[in-house]
Amino acid sequence: DARVTQTPRHKVTEMGQEVTMRCQPILGHNTVFWYRQTMMQGLELLAYFRNRAPLDDSGMPKDRFSAEMPDATLATLKIQPSEPRDSAVYFCASGWDRARDGYTFGSGTRLTVV
Amino acid sequence: TQLLEQSPQFLSIQEGENLTVYCNSSSVFSSLQWYRQEPGEGPVLLVTVVTGGEVKKLKRLTFQFGDARKDSSLHITAAQPGDTGLYLCAGFHNKAAGNKLTFGGGTRVLVKP
Repeated sequence: DARVTQTPRHKVTEMGQEVTMRCQPILGHNTVFWYRQTMMQGLELLAYFRNRAPLDDSGMPKDRFSAEMPDATLATLKIQPSEPRDSAVYFCASGWDRARDGYTFGSGTRLTVV
Repeated sequence: TQLLEQSPQFLSIQEGENLTVYCNSSSVFSSLQWYRQEPGEGPVLLVTVVTGGEVKKLKRLTFQFGDARKDSSLHITAAQPGDTGLYLCAGFHNKAAGNKLTFGGGTRVLVKP
């Protein structure tokens, strides 16, 4: 089965450090989402790309977060500087830009900022 | 506040019992999806409903989309321990706003043997 691959699976870092999370979407999918999941807020949309172009990143704190797709096989989410409140599970999902088809999620990156 | 409200937030039942999870919104969605998430994994798509009033069945799971496309329900018949997980509804906004997928807060279901 085709999978969305996220690395690393776990990351513990100190406050103030830069964190980079990576996602390899399913080959051929043209839409990529980044979500953050916490117990309090649930799944929050951070950013999404269609054909590698950013369409919406309004859910992302602009001063410290950035999302890019340098090529069709890689999406990145960076936090600089990281803060304890950024601790969460970050998910990447990919799919076709069609409402019927659904999206395939990766297994997530569990980030802990101490 | 969540755009999509799910209820209940938590449900604990015995194996063999039935359960229903609700997903409500004041917004109209072009389609709505249900996902199930297990610990340590990402959500996995169960079904997509598109037409108001639509009913879809997936073995013991029955999904309904409200006539006005603002709400949905998931009914599980004769629940089994394997049905344990976090159930999430997610709505697509219309094309003009981009095909953004917005999730509800989730319903955590525990089926005890």
